[in-house]
Amino acid sequence: DTAVSQTPKYLVTQMGNDKSIKCEQNLGHDTMYWYKQDSKKFLKIMFSYNNKELIINETVPNRFSPKSPDKAHLNLHINSLELGDSAVYFCASSQDLTGPQPQHFGDGTRLSIL
Amino acid sequence: DQQVKQNSPSLSVQEGRISILNCDYTNSMFDYFLWYKKYPAEGPTFLISISSIKDKNEDGRFTVFLNKSAKHLSLHIVPSQPGDSAVYFCAARASGTYKYIFGTGTRLKVLA
Repeated sequence: DTAVSQTPKYLVTQMGNDKSIKCEQNLGHDTMYWYKQDSKKFLKIMFSYNNKELIINETVPNRFSPKSPDKAHLNLHINSLELGDSAVYFCASSQDLTGPQPQHFGDGTRLSIL
Repeated sequence: DQQVKQNSPSLSVQEGRISILNCDYTNSMFDYFLWYKKYPAEGPTFLISISSIKDKNEDGRFTVFLNKSAKHLSLHIVPSQPGDSAVYFCAARASGTYKYIFGTGTRLKVLA
């Protein structure tokens, strides 16, 4: 019973392609996140949605577009992939925004750009 | 500008001994701190947290200490077990924000 699941686990593609990563949580949480972990192991927030509403939008190229069709799903679409997009992308969720709370993470999607 | 720093990239400890993982921060507005543990090919899992109104929080073998004046927190694991071998991340959140800032992690190896 995976709480936060993301697909695919691995994604290898050519520069210039467009790709999507899907994320689903079955915890009944209101808030979802996308993080990027680069080669230096920094885990940086990219986006956050609360009840399908965008609440965090960090300085990320507009080639990255999140979409939340409902509060259990937060997908990440990336246009015109570049070499620097190679990283591990983690989806996470938390109960809601009422006070600080721990986040539950998926197992990551390793994106490799050739 | 790295607001949360884990200056030790790795640490080795004998089984049964204490593991102490350290984390320093620069933003005095941080009011909530968390520790996560990460195994290879898995996402981080929440371990323990502490609010800035406390200086200690304990959960079983795990204790987190917060020294606000030094802007320093530490995670103590006693006794350490081989299954504790993982990468440990500290994270912090500033009051009034929804964003968590992560450190770069410390790889702990517990030797049997």
